[in-house]
Amino acid sequence: SYDLTQPPSVSVSPGQTATVTCSGETLASRYTSWYQQRPGQSPVLVIYQDSKRPSGIPERFSGSVSGNTATLTISGTQSLDEADYYCQAWDSGDAVFGGGTRLTVL
Amino acid sequence: QVQLQESGPGLVKPSQTLSLTCSVSGGSISRGSQYWTWIRQPPGKGLEWLGRVYSAGTANYNPSLNGRITISLDTSKSQFSLILTSVTAADTAIYYCARELATIGWDFWGQGALVTVSS
Repeated sequence: SYDLTQPPSVSVSPGQTATVTCSGETLASRYTSWYQQRPGQSPVLVIYQDSKRPSGIPERFSGSVSGNTATLTISGTQSLDEADYYCQAWDSGDAVFGGGTRLTVL
Repeated sequence: QVQLQESGPGLVKPSQTLSLTCSVSGGSISRGSQYWTWIRQPPGKGLEWLGRVYSAGTANYNPSLNGRITISLDTSKSQFSLILTSVTAADTAIYYCARELATIGWDFWGQGALVTVSS
């Protein structure tokens, strides 16, 4: 089965840049999406097709892919960005999620 | 604005069948390029994709469920459903329904329904 690996946790100070990584074989040849899930809420799509932002998602969210690693970058991190972030890709028609990264804004 | 709402029993006994329905409003469930999806999240854990049904009615499922799952569409009621058979405690989770736009992802989600498997 296809696996996506994320760090369990990332910490960042308010106003700084947060980076969340997602590693998987041949990830550069697949599209990666990112979902934000605040406590007690449903997930929200924040990045699709590696680097595109849906309407309504702040510009401080950006995505990139290099080799086998996709990266979600949050510039000027705010306290409301504190959440779990999940990467997602497709493998042979099946959706796969990473294990999730808890972003803490200290 | 598309809205989704899950409904169904919150408690299911082991070995029995879990059945949930997702009601869709604010958009046509039969419009092309849409996949209607079920995703679950065990308490305190990550997301797991269960499967999806295309607006034309064809479905595909997570192989890890070993054939226990069926997702179907009822366009007349603007609903789609999840059936999961032979449940165990490992199936205890928040079950989300969501709309997937082809090549984009899940842009609208329900609020989630907690289903507990326990005797």
